[in-house]
Amino acid sequence: DAKTTQPPSMDCAEGRAANLPCNHSTISGNEYVYWYRQIHSQGPQYIIHGLKNNETNEMASLIITEDRKSSTLILPHATLRDTAVYYCIVRLQTGANNLFFGTGTRLTVIP
Amino acid sequence: KAGVTQTPRYLIKTRGQQVTLSCSPISGHRSVSWYQQTPGQGLQFLFEYFSETQRNKGNFPGRFSGRQFSNSRSEMNVSTLELGDSALYLCASSWLGLAGVEASVRTEQYFGPGTRLTVT
Repeated sequence: DAKTTQPPSMDCAEGRAANLPCNHSTISGNEYVYWYRQIHSQGPQYIIHGLKNNETNEMASLIITEDRKSSTLILPHATLRDTAVYYCIVRLQTGANNLFFGTGTRLTVIP
Repeated sequence: KAGVTQTPRYLIKTRGQQVTLSCSPISGHRSVSWYQQTPGQGLQFLFEYFSETQRNKGNFPGRFSGRQFSNSRSEMNVSTLELGDSALYLCASSWLGLAGVEASVRTEQYFGPGTRLTVT
């Protein structure tokens, strides 16, 4: 699975959009981009995933660049409960079912 | 639908002892993966079980083992505990579709709340 690079920390004002970047310049054509988050002392929570098209669900939007070398997770209206560590993971859709977590981005939503 | 459950939630053990942790996956999920999370090493994959068979294993010593039962529930065991085994142990379940003999389609994983193990 390809390696990802994320900023270690970010702040976002409550109610504003939080845009979390992820670089995955070595991604291969059949690797997906997954996002998870982990609120303090809880298990990670799946957020969204995509291959090449932008994706949206009730939690977030995922924007993947045309060359697929980077992506952005967007939380449209951040709340205090969105304060967490966000992990960007690139993985194949088939094969071993294990996740390689990097260090992630610690997002702090400020009142 | 009930989520992934893990028992116990907290555990204190002494060096040299052994411990068994339990994980019940989401109903219908047949894949169970285990992870260890420590402040120094972050989240690390331990092993994955599917249909009572270990499919994949991370880079951990043989003191760490696991098994899966016919109802997909899984246990992991750590023998001869060391201080460095103090960690949050997380279990994740996912539904796997089988496409042929070897291939399987990954899906998102759903994590339990974890078991906090403290070794003194």
